[in-house]
Amino acid sequence: NAGVTQTPKFRILKIGQSMTLQCTQDMNHNYMYWYRQDPGMGLKLIYYSVGAGITDKGEVPNGYNVSRSTTEDFPLRLELAAPSQTSVYFCASTYPPGQGAYEQYFGPGTRLTVT
Amino acid sequence: QKEVEQNSGPLSVPEGAIASLNCTYSDRGSQSFFWYRQYSGKSPELIMSIYSNGDKEDGRFTAQLNKASQYVSLLIRDSQPSDSATYLCASEPRSGYALNFGKGTSLLVTP
Repeated sequence: NAGVTQTPKFRILKIGQSMTLQCTQDMNHNYMYWYRQDPGMGLKLIYYSVGAGITDKGEVPNGYNVSRSTTEDFPLRLELAAPSQTSVYFCASTYPPGQGAYEQYFGPGTRLTVT
Repeated sequence: QKEVEQNSGPLSVPEGAIASLNCTYSDRGSQSFFWYRQYSGKSPELIMSIYSNGDKEDGRFTAQLNKASQYVSLLIRDSQPSDSATYLCASEPRSGYALNFGKGTSLLVTP
């Protein structure tokens, strides 16, 4: 199992550009999440999905969009990048509560800089 | 309202000592609690989970849960410099779909 994989590892964007952060998991997890982590801060939930075709906003969704067409993939789209979106982005996945250990597995992260 | 609170630290302990990391939570309905370790520049990795009141031991790590006091702790015995990292406490909410994470406590183990 590769677990949770994310691409790219690093990216520099200019203000106003757009990009998609890719996330794939091979553990057949229903639940998937996108977090951002700013230096010295905790994890902030951007969006989550409880299954293919179902997504919902987290704590800080503005400026982002997601889709979930398959169980495995959960891409995060940044439209019109702004310096405030400079951060490290983590994707995570887990089984639903009651269907196994409710432990979130994290991808390696994408370090994004917007200048 | 912050769901999970942790002291940001840094907590500095000498090598070989016991490191004690603490966490409080506000949702009385939370059932499961987790400790993640995050090295600088890396992603969080799960090191302990605890579901019942009391202690749970795994090697040098002991997680403690007191639901009446809404308190979770992590003890690291015989601390090593390689334990230097940020430790994130997380709780499973009574309702909702995502863990509530604290901001993390930075631990520094000095040789």
